[in-house]
Amino acid sequence: EVQLVQSGAEVKKPGESLKISCKGSGYSFTSYWIGWVRQMPGKGLEWMGIIYPGDSDTRYSPSFQGQVTISADKSISTAYLQWSSLKASDTAMYYCARASSVGYDGVPNDYWGQGTLVTVSS
Amino acid sequence: DIQMTQSPSSLSASVGDRVTITCRASQGISNYLAWYQQKPGKVPKLLIYAASTLQSGVPSRFSGSGSGTDFTLTISSLQPEDVATYYCQKYNSALLTFGGGTKVEIK
Repeated sequence: EVQLVQSGAEVKKPGESLKISCKGSGYSFTSYWIGWVRQMPGKGLEWMGIIYPGDSDTRYSPSFQGQVTISADKSISTAYLQWSSLKASDTAMYYCARASSVGYDGVPNDYWGQGTLVTVSS
Repeated sequence: DIQMTQSPSSLSASVGDRVTITCRASQGISNYLAWYQQKPGKVPKLLIYAASTLQSGVPSRFSGSGSGTDFTLTISSLQPEDVATYYCQKYNSALLTFGGGTKVEIK
């Protein structure tokens, strides 16, 4: 069974750093791109970027380029989303989601993590 | 960048009604269009890909159509469990953009 299990909710202060995780299982983790999606409170889905765990090739939405870093550790089948200096506006639910086809980045997302709620407040 | 615009932003319909949601791309994207359903407090779920192909397990009352810039998601007979927000997503490149969403409620 394909599963993406994300790390737990985080409460941080502005200016702090954070790294959240998404662990894949039940499939070849290195063969499928994994993306990250932001959902601010009461708002829609925003696609942030995508990584190929096989070689760590990464693509970012222009809206998020330079604001976050996406990485992966294929040895433990885990993708990451990190911030170096959080802002209150980073408060949101963050989802990881797997690409639906082997080796392709421009495909829909068929499996999703349960989401990680990040709250940034002083 | 290609923008995806959904309409309406919300709608209210009766059980059994036919519901249609529209998604428009600012440039042609062939049929590289997916639809997702997100129920309140839940994770998004892939409903349709390639504009009209139903994902496995999705009820047949859902259907999609369109190509190029104009796409539609149709629920042929609205059910109470269809209360959700629906999003389109274009995927003709590695930049996967979502539409703004359409919230569907029961009247």
